[in-house]
Amino acid sequence: QKEVEQNSGPLSVPEGAIASLNCTYSDRGSQSFFWYRQYSGKSPELIMSIYSNGDKEDGRFTAQLNKASQYVSLLIRDSQPSDSATYLCAVIDTGGFKTIFGAGTRLFVKA
Amino acid sequence: EAGVTQFPSHSVIEKGQTVTLRCDPISGHDNLYWYRRVMGKEIKFLLHFVKESKQDESGMPNNRFLAERTGGTYSTLKVQPAELEDSGVYFCASSQMTGPNTEAFFGQGTRLTVV
Repeated sequence: QKEVEQNSGPLSVPEGAIASLNCTYSDRGSQSFFWYRQYSGKSPELIMSIYSNGDKEDGRFTAQLNKASQYVSLLIRDSQPSDSATYLCAVIDTGGFKTIFGAGTRLFVKA
Repeated sequence: EAGVTQFPSHSVIEKGQTVTLRCDPISGHDNLYWYRRVMGKEIKFLLHFVKESKQDESGMPNNRFLAERTGGTYSTLKVQPAELEDSGVYFCASSQMTGPNTEAFFGQGTRLTVV
Protein backbone atom coordinates (compact mmCIF):
# COMPACT_ATOMS: atom_id res chain seq x y z
CA GLN A 1 0.00 0.00 0.00
CA LYS A 2 1.32 3.43 -0.94
CA GLU A 3 1.75 5.89 1.90
CA VAL A 4 -0.32 8.58 0.18
CA GLU A 5 -2.71 7.60 -2.59
CA GLN A 6 -4.41 9.78 -5.13
CA ASN A 7 -6.32 9.11 -8.31
CA SER A 8 -3.93 10.17 -11.07
CA GLY A 9 -6.75 11.42 -13.28
CA PRO A 10 -6.99 13.31 -15.43
CA LEU A 11 -10.03 14.88 -13.86
CA SER A 12 -11.85 17.07 -16.33
CA VAL A 13 -14.49 19.59 -15.23
CA PRO A 14 -16.21 22.45 -17.06
CA GLU A 15 -15.48 26.04 -16.12
CA GLY A 16 -17.58 27.12 -13.16
CA ALA A 17 -18.08 23.60 -11.80
CA ILE A 18 -16.79 22.14 -8.54
CA ALA A 19 -13.65 20.03 -8.79
CA SER A 20 -13.26 17.36 -6.10
CA LEU A 21 -9.83 15.86 -5.44
CA ASN A 22 -9.35 12.98 -3.03
CA CYS A 23 -6.46 11.50 -1.10
CA THR A 24 -5.97 8.68 1.42
CA TYR A 25 -2.95 8.11 3.63
CA SER A 26 -1.63 5.14 5.58
CA ASP A 27 0.19 6.68 8.59
CA ARG A 28 -2.39 7.00 11.37
CA GLY A 29 -0.03 9.19 13.38
CA SER A 30 0.13 11.93 10.76
CA GLN A 31 -1.02 15.31 12.00
CA SER A 32 -0.37 17.67 9.12
CA PHE A 33 -1.84 17.57 5.65
CA PHE A 34 -1.22 19.78 2.66
CA TRP A 35 -2.38 20.36 -0.86
CA TYR A 36 0.18 21.61 -3.35
CA ARG A 37 -0.53 22.81 -6.87
CA GLN A 38 2.09 22.21 -9.55
CA TYR A 39 1.93 23.74 -12.98
CA SER A 40 3.87 21.96 -15.70
CA GLY A 41 7.57 22.66 -15.39
CA LYS A 42 7.14 24.62 -12.17
CA SER A 43 7.76 23.89 -8.51
CA PRO A 44 4.99 22.67 -6.18
CA GLU A 45 3.17 25.58 -4.53
CA LEU A 46 1.34 25.20 -1.23
CA ILE A 47 -2.32 26.17 -1.53
CA MET A 48 -3.95 24.63 1.55
CA SER A 49 -2.95 23.13 4.87
CA ILE A 50 -5.22 21.37 7.36
CA TYR A 51 -4.46 19.90 10.78
CA SER A 52 -7.79 19.04 12.43
CA ASN A 53 -10.87 17.12 11.40
CA GLY A 54 -13.49 19.01 9.45
CA ASP A 55 -13.47 21.63 6.75
CA LYS A 56 -11.15 24.55 6.15
CA GLU A 57 -12.10 27.16 3.60
CA ASP A 58 -9.86 29.67 1.82
CA GLY A 59 -11.45 31.53 -1.03
CA ARG A 60 -12.58 29.06 -3.66
CA PHE A 61 -10.70 26.21 -1.98
CA THR A 62 -12.01 23.95 0.79
CA ALA A 63 -9.91 21.24 2.38
CA GLN A 64 -11.64 18.43 4.25
CA LEU A 65 -9.97 16.07 6.70
CA ASN A 66 -11.28 12.88 8.27
CA LYS A 67 -8.56 11.28 10.40
CA ALA A 68 -10.71 8.28 11.32
CA SER A 69 -11.04 7.41 7.65
CA GLN A 70 -7.51 8.65 6.84
CA TYR A 71 -8.97 10.76 4.09
CA VAL A 72 -8.22 14.26 2.85
CA SER A 73 -9.97 16.08 0.04
CA LEU A 74 -9.77 19.39 -1.78
CA LEU A 75 -12.78 21.09 -3.32
CA ILE A 76 -12.33 23.87 -5.85
CA ARG A 77 -15.47 25.91 -6.39
CA ASP A 78 -16.14 27.93 -9.53
CA SER A 79 -13.26 26.17 -11.30
CA GLN A 80 -11.30 28.30 -13.74
CA PRO A 81 -9.06 27.26 -16.66
CA SER A 82 -6.16 28.68 -14.66
CA ASP A 83 -6.81 25.99 -12.04
CA SER A 84 -5.66 23.36 -14.55
CA ALA A 85 -2.60 21.79 -12.94
CA THR A 86 -1.46 18.75 -11.00
CA TYR A 87 -2.61 18.74 -7.38
CA LEU A 88 -0.37 16.97 -4.91
CA CYS A 89 -1.61 15.68 -1.58
CA ALA A 90 1.13 15.68 1.05
CA VAL A 91 1.34 14.39 4.60
CA ILE A 92 4.00 14.97 7.23
CA ASP A 93 4.99 11.64 8.74
CA THR A 94 4.54 10.79 12.41
CA GLY A 95 8.13 11.78 13.17
CA GLY A 96 7.39 15.24 11.87
CA PHE A 97 10.37 15.46 9.58
CA LYS A 98 9.39 14.10 6.19
CA THR A 99 6.72 15.31 3.81
CA ILE A 100 5.31 12.33 1.94
CA PHE A 101 3.68 13.09 -1.39
CA GLY A 102 1.01 11.38 -3.41
CA ALA A 103 1.53 10.94 -7.13
CA GLY A 104 -0.78 13.86 -7.86
CA THR A 105 -4.07 14.29 -9.70
CA ARG A 106 -4.10 16.15 -13.00
CA LEU A 107 -7.01 18.56 -13.26
CA PHE A 108 -8.25 20.05 -16.51
CA VAL A 109 -10.80 22.85 -16.41
CA LYS A 110 -12.46 23.30 -19.80
CA ALA A 111 -13.46 26.80 -20.87
CA GLU B 1 13.11 37.53 -0.21
CA ALA B 2 14.72 35.06 -2.60
CA GLY B 3 13.13 31.65 -2.76
CA VAL B 4 14.78 28.28 -3.03
CA THR B 5 17.00 28.24 -6.08
CA GLN B 6 18.34 25.23 -7.90
CA PHE B 7 21.02 24.91 -10.53
CA PRO B 8 21.08 23.80 -13.26
CA SER B 9 17.48 23.83 -14.40
CA HIS B 10 18.20 21.09 -16.93
CA SER B 11 21.03 18.63 -17.37
CA VAL B 12 21.53 16.00 -20.03
CA ILE B 13 24.40 13.61 -19.43
CA GLU B 14 25.54 10.25 -20.70
CA LYS B 15 25.30 7.09 -18.67
CA GLY B 16 28.40 6.73 -16.55
CA GLN B 17 29.09 10.43 -16.24
CA THR B 18 28.91 12.48 -13.07
CA VAL B 19 26.44 15.27 -12.39
CA THR B 20 26.25 17.65 -9.46
CA LEU B 21 23.05 19.46 -8.60
CA ARG B 22 23.01 22.51 -6.38
CA CYS B 23 20.36 23.93 -4.08
CA ASP B 24 20.40 27.27 -2.30
CA PRO B 25 17.71 27.31 0.40
CA ILE B 26 15.90 30.34 1.69
CA SER B 27 18.25 32.30 3.94
CA GLY B 28 17.83 31.30 7.56
CA HIS B 29 16.20 27.96 6.82
CA ASP B 30 18.04 25.26 8.73
CA ASN B 31 16.11 22.44 7.14
CA LEU B 32 16.86 21.38 3.60
CA TYR B 33 15.26 18.47 1.77
CA TRP B 34 15.96 16.72 -1.49
CA TYR B 35 13.15 15.01 -3.39
CA ARG B 36 13.00 13.27 -6.74
CA ARG B 37 10.19 12.66 -9.17
CA VAL B 38 10.72 10.07 -11.88
CA MET B 39 8.37 9.92 -14.85
CA GLY B 40 4.81 9.09 -13.87
CA LYS B 41 5.64 8.50 -10.23
CA GLU B 42 5.12 10.43 -7.04
CA ILE B 43 7.61 12.87 -5.60
CA LYS B 44 9.88 10.77 -3.38
CA PHE B 45 11.85 11.91 -0.37
CA LEU B 46 15.62 11.46 -0.66
CA LEU B 47 17.11 13.09 2.41
CA HIS B 48 16.88 15.82 5.00
CA PHE B 49 19.57 18.11 6.37
CA VAL B 50 19.36 20.09 9.58
CA LYS B 51 22.04 22.68 9.08
CA GLU B 52 25.04 20.66 7.92
CA SER B 53 23.97 17.36 9.48
CA LYS B 54 22.06 14.62 7.70
CA GLN B 55 18.91 14.06 9.75
CA ASP B 56 17.45 11.36 7.54
CA GLU B 57 18.88 9.86 4.38
CA SER B 58 16.60 6.86 4.21
CA GLY B 59 15.35 7.79 0.76
CA MET B 60 18.69 7.83 -1.00
CA PRO B 61 18.46 5.14 -3.70
CA ASN B 62 22.03 3.80 -3.48
CA ASN B 63 25.63 4.75 -2.91
CA ARG B 64 25.92 6.45 -6.28
CA PHE B 65 24.16 9.41 -4.70
CA LEU B 66 26.07 11.73 -2.37
CA ALA B 67 24.60 14.80 -0.74
CA GLU B 68 26.53 17.43 1.15
CA ARG B 69 25.74 20.65 2.89
CA THR B 70 28.99 22.15 4.01
CA GLY B 71 28.57 25.06 6.40
CA GLY B 72 24.84 24.52 6.59
CA THR B 73 24.07 26.80 3.65
CA TYR B 74 23.75 25.47 0.12
CA SER B 75 23.62 21.77 -0.66
CA THR B 76 24.89 19.65 -3.50
CA LEU B 77 23.64 16.30 -4.71
CA LYS B 78 26.13 14.35 -6.78
CA VAL B 79 25.27 11.32 -8.88
CA GLN B 80 28.30 9.23 -9.82
CA PRO B 81 28.17 7.31 -12.06
CA ALA B 82 24.76 8.23 -13.47
CA GLU B 83 22.44 5.49 -14.72
CA LEU B 84 19.44 5.71 -17.03
CA GLU B 85 16.99 5.22 -14.14
CA ASP B 86 18.32 8.32 -12.43
CA SER B 87 16.47 10.48 -14.94
CA GLY B 88 13.80 12.63 -13.37
CA VAL B 89 13.19 15.97 -11.72
CA TYR B 90 15.12 16.65 -8.54
CA PHE B 91 13.48 19.11 -6.19
CA CYS B 92 15.00 20.85 -3.24
CA ALA B 93 12.91 22.34 -0.45
CA SER B 94 13.68 24.25 2.70
CA SER B 95 11.85 25.11 5.89
CA GLN B 96 12.57 27.14 8.97
CA MET B 97 11.40 24.52 11.43
CA THR B 98 10.47 20.86 11.53
CA GLY B 99 7.39 19.17 12.88
CA PRO B 100 3.68 19.71 12.30
CA ASN B 101 2.45 22.92 10.74
CA THR B 102 5.74 23.45 8.95
CA GLU B 103 5.53 24.56 5.36
CA ALA B 104 8.32 23.55 3.04
CA PHE B 105 9.14 25.87 0.12
CA PHE B 106 10.23 24.23 -3.08
CA GLY B 107 12.72 25.19 -5.71
CA GLN B 108 11.99 24.97 -9.42
CA GLY B 109 13.70 21.62 -9.70
CA THR B 110 16.49 20.26 -11.87
CA ARG B 111 15.40 18.08 -14.75
CA LEU B 112 18.06 15.40 -15.19
CA THR B 113 18.13 13.26 -18.30
CA VAL B 114 20.59 10.41 -18.51
CA VAL B 115 21.04 9.05 -22.04
